[in-house]
Amino acid sequence: EDKVVQSPLSLVVHEGDTVTLNCSYEVTNFRSLLWYKQEKKAPTFLFMLTSSGIEKKSGRLSSILDKKELSSILNITATQTGDSAIYLCAVELGTSYGKLTFGQGTILTVHP
Amino acid sequence: DTAVSQTPKYLVTQMGNDKSIKCEQNLGHDTMYWYKQDSKKFLKIMFSYNNKELIINETVPNRFSPKSPDKAHLNLHINSLELGDSAVYFCASSQDRTEPQHFGDGTRLSIL
Repeated sequence: EDKVVQSPLSLVVHEGDTVTLNCSYEVTNFRSLLWYKQEKKAPTFLFMLTSSGIEKKSGRLSSILDKKELSSILNITATQTGDSAIYLCAVELGTSYGKLTFGQGTILTVHP
Repeated sequence: DTAVSQTPKYLVTQMGNDKSIKCEQNLGHDTMYWYKQDSKKFLKIMFSYNNKELIINETVPNRFSPKSPDKAHLNLHINSLELGDSAVYFCASSQDRTEPQHFGDGTRLSIL
């Protein structure tokens, strides 16, 4: 069975800290890995990583895909209270159009 | 302008009732999805339609029936509601596999 596991499950830091969130996967026929941020409502898209794009960066956020280790990390530098959210990792399979298998999420809390 | 909109936002009803949740997207996307997020925030895909054709049909009770009248709409009808159906249901859409899925704000379903 395809599996996506995130760690840690929760994390509490102070503003200005740097955090690293982990996502590992065991799937057949990997196609892409996506990171989403979920605050109160809709998950919002952060990054999509594929074999042809294994590193992405946007402002203080960056993500790397390690296809050899079957994992990805999401880094957030100089954290702010607005970064507090659930961070979701999802993997799409090559054999199933659009089907995302999600991890259980990491709850990040940033204190002032 | 809301890209993916769901109605209603909240739905409180009794066991045994039948209810529907509506979803509309104005992004011009070809594919739409229904996800269920349980109390532990675990997101799991239920169905997906591409141009009104069912392409993903996960193992969900047949009390759940999706309907896509056109490619901008995907509704979810649930018969004989049970306590375990309590969750947040998210609709999403995407243009194709190279683009990420965009999520609606969710419908919180509570069964009394």
